[in-house]
Amino acid sequence: QSVLTQPPSVSGAPGQRVTISCTGSSSNIGAGYDVHWYQHLPGTAPKLLIYANANRPSGVPDRFSGSKSGASGSLAIRGLQAEDEADYYCQSYDSSLSGYVFGTGTKVTVL
Amino acid sequence: EVQLLESGGGLVQPGGSLRLSCAASGFSFNSYAMSWVRQAPGKGLEWVSTISGSGVSTYYADSVKGRFTISRDNSKKTLYVQMNRLRAEDTAIYYCATNSREAATGNAWFAPLGQGTLVTVSS
Repeated sequence: QSVLTQPPSVSGAPGQRVTISCTGSSSNIGAGYDVHWYQHLPGTAPKLLIYANANRPSGVPDRFSGSKSGASGSLAIRGLQAEDEADYYCQSYDSSLSGYVFGTGTKVTVL
Repeated sequence: EVQLLESGGGLVQPGGSLRLSCAASGFSFNSYAMSWVRQAPGKGLEWVSTISGSGVSTYYADSVKGRFTISRDNSKKTLYVQMNRLRAEDTAIYYCATNSREAATGNAWFAPLGQGTLVTVSS
């Protein structure tokens, strides 16, 4: 089971701002390991959205932003667009498991 | 352009075996650790295994430890996972992923991931 907890779903109207939380523990995010975020559309490859807490890969719109505080990370999407409707996952490293961990996933719905 | 192409998925009976492959191109393959990530039907993403760029170090999720073996052939730029004693709960789309560093542990993200190959374990 996932060790990083996310809300199952968030929704917003076009143009609004939504945030997704990712809560970890003292063996992963709280231990200083970075948080990364992925966007996943059904039938496609998951796509890296934010790496190392707050960095955007080339080509990712600046509407997407990330942050980290303590044992939690957060993804914000401002100016929500219909194309943002997808599943979003956080990811980190866990020293107790000696492996990588994903969040439980959050489905973003554009109303 | 970095590309990852998985193959080898299919239908297998419980207790059976399957080997997945991932052909990589467009980057210095041996400079990066590689991983397998899966998604079971209706479930979220799950990390399965990682191998270092040199192939010396390997790590597995508890759910597959002792049954799956990850390996790589740097001369062929190909990643593999040998899956034995398959169970119904191993049914998933398996994605090949490039780690952001050579080491198989520690801070790293996955980019890119391939399109995936479907493994179905059923009698």
